[in-house]
Amino acid sequence: DAKTTQPPSMDCAEGRAANLPCNHSTISGNEYVYWYRQIHSQGPQYIIHGLKNNETNEMASLIITEDRKSSTLILPHATLRDTAVYYCIVDTTGTASKLTFGTGTRLQVTL
Amino acid sequence: DAGITQSPRHKVTETGTPVTLRCHQTENHRYMYWYRQDPGHGLRLIHYSYGVKDTDKGEVSDGYSVSRSKTEDFLLTLESATSSQTSVYFCAIRENMNTEAFFGQGTRLTVV
Repeated sequence: DAKTTQPPSMDCAEGRAANLPCNHSTISGNEYVYWYRQIHSQGPQYIIHGLKNNETNEMASLIITEDRKSSTLILPHATLRDTAVYYCIVDTTGTASKLTFGTGTRLQVTL
Repeated sequence: DAGITQSPRHKVTETGTPVTLRCHQTENHRYMYWYRQDPGHGLRLIHYSYGVKDTDKGEVSDGYSVSRSKTEDFLLTLESATSSQTSVYFCAIRENMNTEAFFGQGTRLTVV
């Protein structure tokens, strides 16, 4: 599976958009980009995933560059409850779908 | 919420004893995963399963074994627990590739 690189931490003011970057320059054509988050010591929570088109759901938007080497997760109006560690994962579509986590970005939303 | 249950939720055991953690699902999902998480680290994959009796190793599989004899249960066994295996263990389920994974609440294991 391709490796991902994320900044270790970011801050965002409440009500503003949080833009979390992820670099995955070695991504293969059959690999999806997934985003999860973990609040405190809870189990990770799925946010969104995509292959090459931009995606949006009720939680967030995912913007994938045309060359697919990087992506950005956008939380349009961050709240204090969005404070968490956000993980960007690249995962194969094959049987060996390992869903390997990296170290993630710790997002701190402040008043 | 996805039907996934980990048991026990907390366990303290002595070094050298065998320990089995259970992950049970009611979703009939194909994929199941075991992770461990240590302070200051992300989740590290121990073992995963892509079907009944089909399992494979993750990045930190030494000292752990797994079994999946039926779709709903994925067991993680520490044959002889060591203090380095003190950790929080998470199980996850996934219907198929290209779908989201759902995680359990975790099992906090302490080896003394």
